Parts: sequence; structure tokens; C-alpha cells
Amino acid sequence: AQKITQTQPGMFVQEKEAVTLDCTYDTSDPSYGLFWYKQPSSGEMIFLIYQGSYDQQNATEGRYSLNFQKARKSANLVISASQLGDSAMYFCAMREGRAGGTSYGKLTFGQGTILTVHP
Amino acid sequence: NAGVTQTPKFRVLKTGQSMTLLCAQDMNHEYMYWYRQDPGMGLRLIHYSVGEGTTAKGEVPDGYNVSRLKKQNFLLGLESAAPSQTSVYFCASGPGGSRSYNSPLHFGNGTRLTVT
Repeated sequence: AQKITQTQPGMFVQEKEAVTLDCTYDTSDPSYGLFWYKQPSSGEMIFLIYQGSYDQQNATEGRYSLNFQKARKSANLVISASQLGDSAMYFCAMREGRAGGTSYGKLTFGQGTILTVHP
Repeated sequence: NAGVTQTPKFRVLKTGQSMTLLCAQDMNHEYMYWYRQDPGMGLRLIHYSVGEGTTAKGEVPDGYNVSRLKKQNFLLGLESAAPSQTSVYFCASGPGGSRSYNSPLHFGNGTRLTVT
């Protein structure tokens, strides 16, 4: 079974509007972390935002926020006021297990969503 | 501040040839990883290392070998390249121990490998 599922292969948004990129995950471990990365056409992987399973509040970083719904096992990325430079591939990833455990920091990635921002 | 550096950036191999991808990090990270990226499949873990002299298999290790002789370097080898190994390869690093839990991985810029 897929541990991380991103069901939107491609998304389109108008500049200055908000967009939500979906991510659902599957784990039986009570300790886990969820990460979002951006990959522009130049290819590098840029870390955007992190949410821990025990965090009480949804994470926010500038125009990025994470809509974390633990019971539904979803961690959707919300980008507010989209900009042309937001056009990129976006990956959701999960790390299972506690610090010092056997996860050794490994990340499992979803398939990615290509976001296109129209002017 | 270089972060994670991968060499080469591009490479074309013929089936059966061998090559080594080099990864170097200057952040004193304990953990290092090799991922491959294929269309529609995201990034998949090939091998990883939790310290100098240690390596472990990831999700898709077949056809690859790795070595971590120095803490800052992590090498990925293809002994006999196959067309199925055509992919973009990413090296990543992260802190070890308790810091590994909520710290993001730092990625290199990738190596695009084509096997004909």
C-alpha cells in the first residue's frame, strides 16, 4: 500500500489566488512527521514546511500553511496568493518513528503534483 | 556554504558500463541517502547510511552499491548499468540522533543519468 498518496497529478491556479495540494498518508506509527518540498523546473529540492504528528497547531511558513487533519490522515499544503514562481512540482513526504529510533530520518515520498500558476 | 554537492550533473552510459556518483556534504550530517526520481513515482530510496563505514538498503537497492568511507562523502555505484536505471539521482543528508526526527533532509541538485 502507498504510504503517501498525492491524487492530483496536475493543478492550475490563477496568479494571486490560493491553491490546495492534497496529500494523504498511511501509517500505524503514532510518531511521524510530514514534509513538503518544492521542485522547480531547474530540478533542486526545496524544503517548504514541516508538521509533526503531535503538533497541536497547523504549521505555517509565510505563504505556505499545512492543513493537518490527523483523523483523516491528510496533510494538505495551502499556498496563498499564488505567484508565477510557485509553478513547480510539489512533493509530500513522511518520516515515521521517534527520534533515535530505526527510521534513521528516512523520508517516503508521494508521486508529486505539478502546479501551474497562470498570469 | 555549499550544502550537498553531487557530481557529475549529467552522464550517459551504455548498457553494461559502470560508474560512480559522488556526493559530498559540508554540514557535518550523520545521515546520508541516495534517492532516484522517476516520472509518476516520486523519489524512492536506494541506499542510506547512518554514519561513517555503515550502509543499509532502501526500497530499491538492486543493481546499486554504496560506500561511506568518510563522514562527508557518500558514493553510489552502478556495476553494470541497465536501461531501467535511467533516472535522476538525488543525494541527501540530515542530522542524526534526536535531531533526525523533525529536521528536513538537504538535497543535492541531482544527477541525470541515461543508460542506452
